[in-house]
Amino acid sequence: QAQLIQSGTEVKKPGASVKVSCEASGYTFARYGISWMRQAPGQGLEWMGWMNVINGDTKFGQKFQGRVTMSKDISTNTAYMELRSLSSGDTAIYYCARSIDYTSDFDLWGQGTLVTVSS
Amino acid sequence: EIVLTQSPATLSLSPGERATLSCRASQSVRYSLAWYQHKPGQAPRLLIHDASIRATGVPAKFSGSGSGTDFTLTINSLEPEDFAVYYCQQRANWPVTFGPGTKVDFK
Repeated sequence: QAQLIQSGTEVKKPGASVKVSCEASGYTFARYGISWMRQAPGQGLEWMGWMNVINGDTKFGQKFQGRVTMSKDISTNTAYMELRSLSSGDTAIYYCARSIDYTSDFDLWGQGTLVTVSS
Repeated sequence: EIVLTQSPATLSLSPGERATLSCRASQSVRYSLAWYQHKPGQAPRLLIHDASIRATGVPAKFSGSGSGTDFTLTINSLEPEDFAVYYCQQRANWPVTFGPGTKVDFK
């Protein structure tokens, strides 16, 4: 069945970067884009951005512009999200999800990756 | 951006009861609203899209209704596996936004 498998827990120092991976299986990777969301402790879900996995086009939320990069490796059906200049406010569970474009809903989600930013 | 408000924040019910969850948008999202179920440690699960269409494999006890700014998710005859947090999400305007969630827990 279709699934998205994310990389494991990360602990980072303030100012560092984190790169989370999201490997797709069970469906044609190139038929969908990948969005990234996050959920900080006690908070709701926040959309970060979306990537077209065919041509690499991206759309980011204004809050993350200039600090996030999304990339992909078609040969391994894997999408990546890199967030730079981390602060404690970036401590959250990060999710990838399958989506047609940057204004769609999300019918398949990864299991989440906990990123903790602490000195 | 469109702000979604969900009520109640927590809904305490017993198995077999019906749950009625509300989602209100700060401006019209037409029918472009989805509902998700989220259990701790698991991936969120799409239940309803386009306000009232059940996603593939979602049982008929889950139903969505509404349009414009007011939406409802109804869960009939709660079972133990239905106790979770439920989020609404709009895709009418960029950026997509989520509501803060309603937790359905055991009474």
